Amino acid sequence: EAQVTQNPRYLITVTGKKLTVTCSQNMNHEYMSWYRQDPGLGLRQIYYSMNVEVTDKGDVPEGYKVSRKEKRNFPLILESPSPNQTSLYFCASSFRRNEKLFFGSGTQLSVL
Amino acid sequence: GENVEQHPSTLSVQEGDSAVIKCTYSDSASNYFPWYKQELGKGPQLIIDIRSNVGEKKDQRIAVTLNKTAKHFSLHITETQPEDSAVYFCAMYTNTGNQFYFGTGTSLTVIP
Repeated sequence: EAQVTQNPRYLITVTGKKLTVTCSQNMNHEYMSWYRQDPGLGLRQIYYSMNVEVTDKGDVPEGYKVSRKEKRNFPLILESPSPNQTSLYFCASSFRRNEKLFFGSGTQLSVL
Repeated sequence: GENVEQHPSTLSVQEGDSAVIKCTYSDSASNYFPWYKQELGKGPQLIIDIRSNVGEKKDQRIAVTLNKTAKHFSLHITETQPEDSAVYFCAMYTNTGNQFYFGTGTSLTVIP
């Protein structure tokens, strides 16, 4: 089944403890991206990747890192999480950059 | 970053009535305008999209219209059903920055 898989689904952590949210797609998509969803703000792009080893900042990149070593994986790294990073995170992918996005099921992150 | 304004933020309609959601944007380099439906606890899913060289597109009960001159696009749902109840997001892709920008969402409730 074609899908974008994110893990974990729920995560509670404490300020400053490094964490990684994994994202994997099985559709051979070139474009992958991360979003955070906050009430009243919609979805905001954190980082995106046009292809392997090509990543760039979205609108809200501060406090986040990404890597794209393989085409299928695009992990989101929070080196030192802070409470303002408490949010619902979505990974998405598309065959090319301006085409239909396929979203994962989301990761609800709480930073205490 | 770029801005997409979406209205209304909430919408209640009687089953069988039509629902219309409108979005406006400012970036002339935008060329792809998708609409996503998000059900509770799930990631957004594409329901219809339109490219900048087309003025209208229809898929059964769902249609999207685009006015590039006025920089606005709208989602039209006819003969609404209770299962249409969800949050709907408009989005645009712009070559300025190679990324997607999303509206803030419309919570649609269809009353049986």
